[in-house]
Amino acid sequence: GQNIDQPTEMTATEGAIVQINCTYQTSGFNGLFWYQQHAGEAPTFLSYNVLDGLEEKGRFSSFLSRSKGYSYLLLKELQMKDSASYLCAVSDSNYQLIWGAGTKLIIKP
Amino acid sequence: IAGITQAPTSQILAAGRRMTLRCTQDMRHNAMYWYRQDLGLGLRLIHYSNTAGTTGKGEVPDGYSVSRANTDDFPLTLASAVPSQTSVYFCASSGDRVTNTGELFFGEGSRLTVL
Repeated sequence: GQNIDQPTEMTATEGAIVQINCTYQTSGFNGLFWYQQHAGEAPTFLSYNVLDGLEEKGRFSSFLSRSKGYSYLLLKELQMKDSASYLCAVSDSNYQLIWGAGTKLIIKP
Repeated sequence: IAGITQAPTSQILAAGRRMTLRCTQDMRHNAMYWYRQDLGLGLRLIHYSNTAGTTGKGEVPDGYSVSRANTDDFPLTLASAVPSQTSVYFCASSGDRVTNTGELFFGEGSRLTVL
């Protein structure tokens, strides 16, 4: 079966750096996505990786290793507003998005 | 209207009743999707539409139906609601499903409770 694994919850301190990991097993691969979802709101797109390596976008970076079925989202200079759930999703061979359950990130002052 | 609009935002429904969740987008996107989100689970695809006039089944289609009469509207119907359909429902769209580079645009969600 297809599977996306990410930690259920993480805690970090304001101003620090946090890395959220995602491992996947899917039938085919057409890209990996990270979304941010604040409580009670809709998910919003953060990043897309289809080739191995690091994609940097401001305070957020996303890394992909296709051979290891692994990705991480790196958040730097954490702010209180970064408290949210972070969703990892993989596009499979049929271009269907398979979603992880999300990682709830708690930022403490 | 800007983006995707869903209605209602919240609804309590008696089991056995019929319910339609509405979704309208103004971005002229070809592809539209309906997901449900339950605690501890990832978003699960119910139905999708690659373009107006076509629909397809997702991961959890049973008990749901959709139609895509035009580009903008993609309603989701529960013919006879059951308690297991209690969930938050998200409508989403993208420019193109097959070449989608990931940016799905989501509506604000419809929280449905079936008693």
